[in-house]
Amino acid sequence: DQQVKQNSPSLSVQEGRISILNCDYTNSMFDYFLWYKKYPAEGPTFLISISSIKDKNEDGRFTVFLNKSAKHLSLHIVPSQPGDSAVYFCAASFNFGNEKLTFGTGTRLTIIP
Amino acid sequence: AAGVIQSPRHLIKEKRETATLKCYPIPRHDTVYWYQQGPGQDPQFLISFYEKMQSDKGSIPDRFSAQQFSDYHSELNMSSLELGDSALYFCASSQLLSKEQYFGPGTRLTVT
Repeated sequence: DQQVKQNSPSLSVQEGRISILNCDYTNSMFDYFLWYKKYPAEGPTFLISISSIKDKNEDGRFTVFLNKSAKHLSLHIVPSQPGDSAVYFCAASFNFGNEKLTFGTGTRLTIIP
Repeated sequence: AAGVIQSPRHLIKEKRETATLKCYPIPRHDTVYWYQQGPGQDPQFLISFYEKMQSDKGSIPDRFSAQQFSDYHSELNMSSLELGDSALYFCASSQLLSKEQYFGPGTRLTVT
């Protein structure tokens, strides 16, 4: 049972444009969401997170939006750069600290120069 | 900044052998998590430790065991290895009550 889903396995975006990665979840008990970026042969790198009490969090070129009623979140990267080419995972956890992460299936983002 | 260290980075074992994976968390991080990522799959939670005590358990086979030591490093012991155990094994660490987990580079285990 995949509780966190990323329906787009891959996405190609022109350099300088906006990249939008989407993520849906089914468990309404999730209350904290994170985005990780992963290069081949490396571990996931933490990018940005958002608590369920917020609907937007911004950090430089990265913005995460959360729509709790739709159980949907998205990561916006603007402007997209070639170094952003990687696999992006969204992840969710429950209310308490030290909770395991439940990952989505990942989206491979390719930035076209 | 110091990151999570995992060793070895690559490991090749035969069926029915035993493997031990090690994880050294970021200094002052007290919680360690283990995840398994099969080919083309998302990372799946195996087990976690907080202050040397097991804090949560996921879909970890009985053939696997893990512990966290007094210096907070953790070891994942895998016995009677099967071909299906071939995967990337990630360790992550976090501080108490922090929800951001920081991952190591992973150990690629190949069982032949």
